[in-house]
Amino acid sequence: DSGVTQTPKHLITATGQRVTLRCSPRSGDLSVYWYQQSLDQGLQFLIQYYNGEERAKGNILERFSAQQFPDLHSELNLSSLELGDSALYFCASSVGGSLTRLSSYNEQFFGPGTRLTVL
Amino acid sequence: GENVEQHPSTLSVQEGDSAVIKCTYSDSASNYFPWYKQELGKRPQLIIDIRSNVGEKKDQRIAVTLNKTAKHFSLHITETQPEDSAVYFCAAGFQKLVFGTGTRLLVSP
Repeated sequence: DSGVTQTPKHLITATGQRVTLRCSPRSGDLSVYWYQQSLDQGLQFLIQYYNGEERAKGNILERFSAQQFPDLHSELNLSSLELGDSALYFCASSVGGSLTRLSSYNEQFFGPGTRLTVL
Repeated sequence: GENVEQHPSTLSVQEGDSAVIKCTYSDSASNYFPWYKQELGKRPQLIIDIRSNVGEKKDQRIAVTLNKTAKHFSLHITETQPEDSAVYFCAAGFQKLVFGTGTRLLVSP
């Protein structure tokens, strides 16, 4: 158990709908990262938050958005869902992630994932 | 953009053999290179990592080497066991991690 929790574990919904995925980082971790893993695919980085602020952005669609709350949990919102959005969504957390610490990059610990199925 | 290539995509070995997975990266600013193991339906788990100021790191049967000049790094698993069977991902990054496409390792008894 990495200490990162994600809810729900499974989510089945229809095209055009909107869903929210939730992630709670490990105690003490300030950064949260979101990844998408499609069937037999690698991990695609979506977005990172550090202490409530967006820190880095990857291949995140405009239909997707995220935020990190004062208690450091994060939510990933997926709207106007399409069949191709079906995937495993992982969040990960790390202690750091500050741009000012050029020489350090903290290990990312992954949550168990949320499996999203869009029908 | 940033890119990480990983080879081979599948690797089958006999128990006790060694396995080597290779990755190349494009962003010369990358300074952190972790390797993750993912079993079917489970979360990726960090197994070893290396930073750009180190050329090699070993942890029991697992070792990673890094060649910053050539921009490639490799994972070496010795004395493989059936429980090593999984998908292995390399990643490289500075501020954000870019993952390779994964290597499915199958260790046959």
